[in-house]
Amino acid sequence: QQQVKQSPQSLIVQKGGISIINCAYENTAFDYFPWYQQFPGKGPALLIAIRPDVSEKKEGRFTISFNKSAKQFSLHIMDSQPGDSATYFCAASKGGGGYNKLIFGAGTRLAVHP
Amino acid sequence: GAVVSQHPSRVICKSGTSVKIECRSLDFQATTMFWYRQFPKQSLMLMATSNEGSKATYEQGVEKDKFLINHASLTLSTLTVTSAHPEDSSFYICSARQSVGGHYNSPLHFGNGTRLTVT
Repeated sequence: QQQVKQSPQSLIVQKGGISIINCAYENTAFDYFPWYQQFPGKGPALLIAIRPDVSEKKEGRFTISFNKSAKQFSLHIMDSQPGDSATYFCAASKGGGGYNKLIFGAGTRLAVHP
Repeated sequence: GAVVSQHPSRVICKSGTSVKIECRSLDFQATTMFWYRQFPKQSLMLMATSNEGSKATYEQGVEKDKFLINHASLTLSTLTVTSAHPEDSSFYICSARQSVGGHYNSPLHFGNGTRLTVT
């Protein structure tokens, strides 16, 4: 059972364009939604995260949009740069306390062309 | 910032041998660490949750006798792949969350992974 569905699988964007990656979840108990960036041969690094009590969160060029009723959230990368070329994973977890595990989406391979 | 160190970064071993991977939280304490496995161009699959001072909790389908996890201190968890076979070849990544009492969903920090190749 795939609890977090991510699309597209791959994405090509021109430099300066907007990259948009979408995720949908099934479990309404999820209450924490982070996005991770992973470069080849490296572990994932946290980019930005959101909780369901807000509909949008922005940090620099990265914005998360969250639609609780649709159980969807997306990552927008504004002014995309070649250095943003990486694999992006959405994730979700439930509960607090630091013991909860993250469930990852399948990943999106982003290529930003100069 | 919180740093998770994983060692070794790469290891090649012969079939039938055992390999130990270490995961350390360098500047924070972590009562809980997570071990993930990632195949090429695929997502991270949670293998087990490692709890300091107690037995690890394994995900469905993960052989606990095959993948031994020990979390002996608040800053160290180890994953031992026993009697490794070529199908165990993968990218293993650990993660840790800073243990702050009552902290709601503090960020999960990942190590840089270990590339295991079993020949």
